Amino acid sequence: QQQVKQSPQSLIVQKGGISIINCAYENTAFDYFPWDQQFPGKGPALLIAIRPDVSEKKEGRFTISFNKSAKQFSLHIMDSQPGDSATYFCAATSGAGSYQLTFGKGTKLSVIP
Amino acid sequence: DTEVTQTPKHLVMGMTNKKSLKCEQHMGHRAMYWYKQKAKKPPELMFVYSYEKLSINESVPSRFSPECPNSSLLNLHLHALQPEDSALYLCASSLATQGVYGYTFGSGTRLTVV
Repeated sequence: QQQVKQSPQSLIVQKGGISIINCAYENTAFDYFPWDQQFPGKGPALLIAIRPDVSEKKEGRFTISFNKSAKQFSLHIMDSQPGDSATYFCAATSGAGSYQLTFGKGTKLSVIP
Repeated sequence: DTEVTQTPKHLVMGMTNKKSLKCEQHMGHRAMYWYKQKAKKPPELMFVYSYEKLSINESVPSRFSPECPNSSLLNLHLHALQPEDSALYLCASSLATQGVYGYTFGSGTRLTVV
């Protein structure tokens, strides 16, 4: 019940295309859903996050779509660029007092020119 | 300052050595974390300090010893490590009043145990 299932494991997208990464969860107590971007040799960086009271959040080319009834959320990267090539992790946590993040297994995105 | 700074960036140590990893932040965050990350895997939580007190220890072997000397500093003392402990060690911080919300990771220390 604590798992967050992420797919696909790897993704190749042409420059200018849309990258879509999906995550699903079971624990209905989760109330904060961040996405991290990690470049090789670097730590993860919090990219964008959403709470379940909204269905979509957009920051620049990055959008999270959230479906509470289906217990799914996804990251959309519009106009994908080679510089977006990285590993993306979805995560979830429950409650403002929780210090624990449950991560998905990650998606390696390659954007080809 | 919106960064978590980790030193050293790289560390090679023998199985009988004692070394320490250091983490520093000046964002006023009162929760600080140690994570371990193996290649192609997500980060795994090791320890959490909240208001300078150890609040979570994820059953980490005693050869890893955390320390939080003040609200800005976090150390991880290493002793008698095994080659399988080689990994990227990540520090993170967050506003403790909101748990892990709005966390920030450092760039990590790449540890190799020989």
